[in-house]
Amino acid sequence: DAGVTQSPTHLIKTRGQHVTLRCSPISGHKSVSWYQQVLGQGPQFIFQYYEKEERGRGNFPDRFSARQFPNYSSELNVNALLLGDSALYLCASSLGPVVNYGYTFGSGTRLTVV
Amino acid sequence: AQTVTQSQPEMSVQEAETVTLSCTYDTSESDYYLFWYKQPPSRQMILVIRQEAYKQQNATENRFSVNFQKAAKSFSLKISDSQLGDAAMYFCAYRNLNAGNMLTFGGGTRLMVKP
Repeated sequence: DAGVTQSPTHLIKTRGQHVTLRCSPISGHKSVSWYQQVLGQGPQFIFQYYEKEERGRGNFPDRFSARQFPNYSSELNVNALLLGDSALYLCASSLGPVVNYGYTFGSGTRLTVV
Repeated sequence: AQTVTQSQPEMSVQEAETVTLSCTYDTSESDYYLFWYKQPPSRQMILVIRQEAYKQQNATENRFSVNFQKAAKSFSLKISDSQLGDAAMYFCAYRNLNAGNMLTFGGGTRLMVKP
């Protein structure tokens, strides 16, 4: 069984540009969450989606948006990129909306903004 | 807001020895979950162990065990018989049952294992 897959693995963008990150959850998992991990820090929650609906949002500006598709894959979009958006973006999937048993994480997308 | 603190940026242990990683958290809630995640250089976060706050018994998973002190809001991870493959970043995380499904992570502890 494939795990959580994220694409691309690495990405370099220029300030002001837009970026789209993609995530495919484990087969059968209906919930996808996104986390931002700045170098040297722990991950910070951005969004959770379940059955295509937003179930939670962290303290991030409106430049960050996401959506979930009928096949439960998800996209994270970031507009007007800032240098501070440089980070590892982690996608995590879970069977249902409740995360009592923890997530399964992907290996992340490393975004560098120059 | 809940916070999770890992006061040891780096720890070192000799292979086959035991090491304990510290974690404290701040919450006014009584029901929550606590987790330890491992992040090797591959970057993928791997769940090591979890603890429900309502359970008094400390969780154990093979060589990994926790010391959960609810009153002290402390949740340390003990790794016994350390192996070279245990070298990684370790993150403590908290989930409040009444505040959605987000995990709040600590800043991490880098564990080095010496052969």
